[in-house]
Amino acid sequence: NAGVTQTPKFQVLKTGQSMTLQCAQDMNHNSMYWYRQDPGMGLRLIYYSASEGTTDKGEVPNGYNVSRLNKREFSLRLESAAPSQTSVYFCASSELVRFQGLYGYTFGSGTRLTVV
Amino acid sequence: GQQLNQSPQSMFIQEGEDVSMNCTSSSIFNTWLWYKQDPGEGPVLLIALYKAGELTSNGRLTAQFGITRKDSFLNISASIPSDVGIYFCAGQRNYGQNFVFGPGTRLSVLP
Repeated sequence: NAGVTQTPKFQVLKTGQSMTLQCAQDMNHNSMYWYRQDPGMGLRLIYYSASEGTTDKGEVPNGYNVSRLNKREFSLRLESAAPSQTSVYFCASSELVRFQGLYGYTFGSGTRLTVV
Repeated sequence: GQQLNQSPQSMFIQEGEDVSMNCTSSSIFNTWLWYKQDPGEGPVLLIALYKAGELTSNGRLTAQFGITRKDSFLNISASIPSDVGIYFCAGQRNYGQNFVFGPGTRLSVLP
């Protein structure tokens, strides 16, 4: 099925550990995004990649790095995890210009990260 | 930065009731999207609106693009238990720009 695939679905880290969240899309979208979702805060943009080879900071980039490995894949790295990074992380992909009817962001099912 | 406000923050309704929620901004947007997030899942696109005054339906859901272009509304008729979840609005100010998401309206449906 077409869509956005995120791995892992769950992860527990100790403070200071590092990890990479993986995301892949098979819809040939140019743009990809990483969001975090915290209770009562909605979706906050961490980083995005408007097209292959480019990445830009979003609203809450501190403590994260990203890599747009190719058009399909966009990874998010936590170099030194902190308890404040406990959250649910969503990857999304999109075309931002409507050219074939309905468009918008397609989200993955999320990674639930706990930092202890 | 651009901000979207959603109201109500949360609501509890009886099964069978109609639901109304809205999304407002101080800025003009040219596209509005409405998403639903089921518990434990990612948001799923419900309805997209592309011009002021537009009214679009998707089954029991109807959304409207406000004529001021600063707001949008979502109505759900005859609610059922599977309507439970968080409803997000998202706005795009100009074509090619990222969407901005509202904080969500959490809907609970009581049997």
